[in-house]
Amino acid sequence: QKEVEQNSGPLSVPEGAIASLNCTYSDRGSQSFFWYRQYSGKSPELIMFIYSNGDKEDGRFTAQLNKASQYVSLLIRDSQPSDSATYLCAVNLANDYKLSFGAGTTVTVRA
Amino acid sequence: GAVVSQHPSRVICKSGTSVKIECRSLDFQATTMFWYRQFPKQSLMLMATSNEGSKATYEQGVEKDKFLINHASLTLSTLTVTSAHPEDSSFYICSARGSGRETQYFGPGTRLLVL
Repeated sequence: QKEVEQNSGPLSVPEGAIASLNCTYSDRGSQSFFWYRQYSGKSPELIMFIYSNGDKEDGRFTAQLNKASQYVSLLIRDSQPSDSATYLCAVNLANDYKLSFGAGTTVTVRA
Repeated sequence: GAVVSQHPSRVICKSGTSVKIECRSLDFQATTMFWYRQFPKQSLMLMATSNEGSKATYEQGVEKDKFLINHASLTLSTLTVTSAHPEDSSFYICSARGSGRETQYFGPGTRLLVL
């Protein structure tokens, strides 16, 4: 079982719609959870991090964490063509500063 | 804040030569730096973890004698690809985290092409 799994893409959504990205992780002791965005040919950039159960909102992005279900998600509201990218879920394993990355979900926002 | 730079952004070299890539944290002190490699359409693969003033910790399957890492200061880590071969051609990305922080901030990456 992979440490971090993301729903397979690609995910295509119309402009203005909500894009929903899912991620599950295997280590129940994981403490910190991150969403990175990676444009083609570029390095990842941090969108959000979340540590506690519940929702965390930042602009058009909302991260949701459910530690009991070992599940973290990212919602992108009012999707824009500029949101078209690969989104990487990353988990900080317990007692370790290393990040374990999912394979990524590619999102395409149709104008 | 939390800006990480890499140099060079792109390098082309002949097979058998060595290439050095620099990673700098510009506005914070990086307790730990990480080196990743990413092949086309694949996710990031962690190569090694580098702590200032100590030896790097390499992931399984990564040759420490081929990928030399030096973390001489709290703002600079270098990765040297020794005796590069075409199969080493990849996108090399560093990241850095500050003391007490778990968040990693990524550099812009270095695209290496070995002919």
